[in-house]
Amino acid sequence: EADIYQTPRYLVIGTGKKITLECSQTMGHDKMYWYQQDPGMELHLIHYSYGVNSTEKGDLSSESTVSRIRTEHFPLTLESARPSHTSQYLCASSELWTGAYEQYFGPGTRLTVT
Amino acid sequence: AQRVTQPEKLLSVFKGAPVELKCNYSYSGSPELFWYVQYSRQRLQLLLRHISRESIKGFTADLNKGETSFHLKKPFAQEEDSAMYYCALAPTSGTYKYIFGTGTRLKVLA
Repeated sequence: EADIYQTPRYLVIGTGKKITLECSQTMGHDKMYWYQQDPGMELHLIHYSYGVNSTEKGDLSSESTVSRIRTEHFPLTLESARPSHTSQYLCASSELWTGAYEQYFGPGTRLTVT
Repeated sequence: AQRVTQPEKLLSVFKGAPVELKCNYSYSGSPELFWYVQYSRQRLQLLLRHISRESIKGFTADLNKGETSFHLKKPFAQEEDSAMYYCALAPTSGTYKYIFGTGTRLKVLA
């Protein structure tokens, strides 16, 4: 079944550690996105990708980096985690990029940096 | 600046009462507008988009360009409607990235 997956679902990690949040989709979509969402707040786009080897920074400045080596895989990496990175991270994908296009969301990763 | 505003963080209504979740936007052109919903322990998903002019789970939303609003309405709320609702805008020129509102939590009381 076509879906979008995120692992881990929950992560508690110490300051200074390097972490990678995984996102994979079997939807066959070219467009993928990473959002950051603090509790009770709006979703902020931090990275997006049009396709393989294409990545762009979003509207919210983030110390994270992403890569897109395979269509279905869009991992997000934090080289040195800090408490300010504590948040929920949502991965999404879409078939289209313009018009009334729908974004499909993964279940999210809740990150806590101690 | 492009912005989506949802003025209510929390809206509580009784079962069977009408519901209206407010959404106002700031955009110079004619954007695409959406409502997304997140039920407890489920992922964020599309509820409806204005271009479809459809009713999903009894919800409708009308785009009012004069008031730059896209309020979500349902005549009779059900307990299963309790969820987090996000209004979103997709520009139709330049960058096409979504802009989300802060969300409104709807609680339908028995």
